[in-house]
Amino acid sequence: QKEVEQNSGPLSVPEGAIASLNCTYSDRGSQSFFWYRQYSGKSPELIMFIYSNGDKEDGRFTAQLNKASQYVSLLIRDSQPSDSATYLCAGGGAGSYQLTFGKGTKLSVIP
Amino acid sequence: NAGVTQTPKFQVLKTGQSMTLQCAQDMNHNSMYWYRQDPGMGLRLIYYSASEGTTDKGEVPNGYNVSRLNKREFSLRLESAAPSQTSVYFCASSEGGTNQPQHFGDGTRLSIL
Repeated sequence: QKEVEQNSGPLSVPEGAIASLNCTYSDRGSQSFFWYRQYSGKSPELIMFIYSNGDKEDGRFTAQLNKASQYVSLLIRDSQPSDSATYLCAGGGAGSYQLTFGKGTKLSVIP
Repeated sequence: NAGVTQTPKFQVLKTGQSMTLQCAQDMNHNSMYWYRQDPGMGLRLIYYSASEGTTDKGEVPNGYNVSRLNKREFSLRLESAAPSQTSVYFCASSEGGTNQPQHFGDGTRLSIL
């Protein structure tokens, strides 16, 4: 069974710090990875996706993928209180329309 | 710029009642999905439609049926609601093809008494 694992947290970081969110996956065939942000009581919002090994940067966000270690991470630089949310990691398998979601990591940015 | 629209936003049912959740997208996406989200369980796929005219079971299909009415619309039906189906239901869509990002609607909060 394909699994995506995340530390549930909560992860607390001070405002202005770097928040590091991590995700591991079991399916070696996974080819695509997605990070979603979900505020309490709201729907998941796509913030990053990555398909290739290495880093991908978008503003304050950097996604990192290491397929050999089956590890995905999301770095948030200059964390703001508005970044406080649950972050969901999802992986897509080879030839699959489906995504497998982790249970999410709750991030709290302390002013 | 509506994206994915779900109706209703909230609903309370009694055990045994039936109900259809509606979902429509205006992004010309080919694939659509229904998830449920429960505390501690994360997002679980109920059914999906890779393209118009096709539907497939996901991880937790029991107790649900779906209809891909056209390219825009994908509905989820509970024939005989049970308390275990109390959840938040999300519809999502993607361009189609494999490994595509999915875009979510605002959700339907469903309580079954």
